[in-house]
Amino acid sequence: DAEITQSPRHKITETGRQVTLACHQTWNHNNMFWYRQDLGHGLRLIHYSYGVQDTNKGEVSDGYSVSRSNTEDLPLTLESAASSQTSVYFCASSEGSGPPNEKLFFGSGTQLSVL
Amino acid sequence: DQQVKQNSPSLSVQEGRISILNCDYTNSMFDYFLWYKKYPAEGPTFLISISSIKDKNEDGRFTVFLNKSAKHLSLHIVPSQPGDSAVYFCAASAAGGTSYGKLTFGQGTILTVHP
Repeated sequence: DAEITQSPRHKITETGRQVTLACHQTWNHNNMFWYRQDLGHGLRLIHYSYGVQDTNKGEVSDGYSVSRSNTEDLPLTLESAASSQTSVYFCASSEGSGPPNEKLFFGSGTQLSVL
Repeated sequence: DQQVKQNSPSLSVQEGRISILNCDYTNSMFDYFLWYKKYPAEGPTFLISISSIKDKNEDGRFTVFLNKSAKHLSLHIVPSQPGDSAVYFCAASAAGGTSYGKLTFGQGTILTVHP
């Protein structure tokens, strides 16, 4: 079955370190997204991609970067981790067909703690 | 600026009764709306969606109502079951252009269904 997987599930790092969170999908979806979930804010969009070599900034992109070298993967990099980036990170993908069938499929999340 | 708002952080209902979760939005460009359910330590999963050309969509025990003039949507779960206990996120999308496929989420409502 097609799926979307994130790794690691849990990560503890120190402030100032570079961290990369992996996201891999086997849906063959063009669209991929990174969200962070924080109490009181719901899920907020960090970066997204509509295809290979395409990347775009979302609502809370400062301090994060992504790259899309193939269809399956969209790694999220924290250039210099800060305590404010402690959060749960979700990767998602979608087919891009539009309503009424368009929906995001989410990975299980990565809990990141920056100490 | 929170464009999608779920003003009730939590809701508690008895098994067998109706659960009504509410969501308000401010961006008049939103024309596609989705509800996601999230269990602890898992990613959000798609529940039901509605396009702005409709005012109601049903799928089994779940019905979503859209009131475009009030910029309000609601999710009805009838009858509620203990397994429905989860966090419910409302999300909205604007078709076309650079907004295509991006979802803006509300803060979430924790639903607890008591046996």
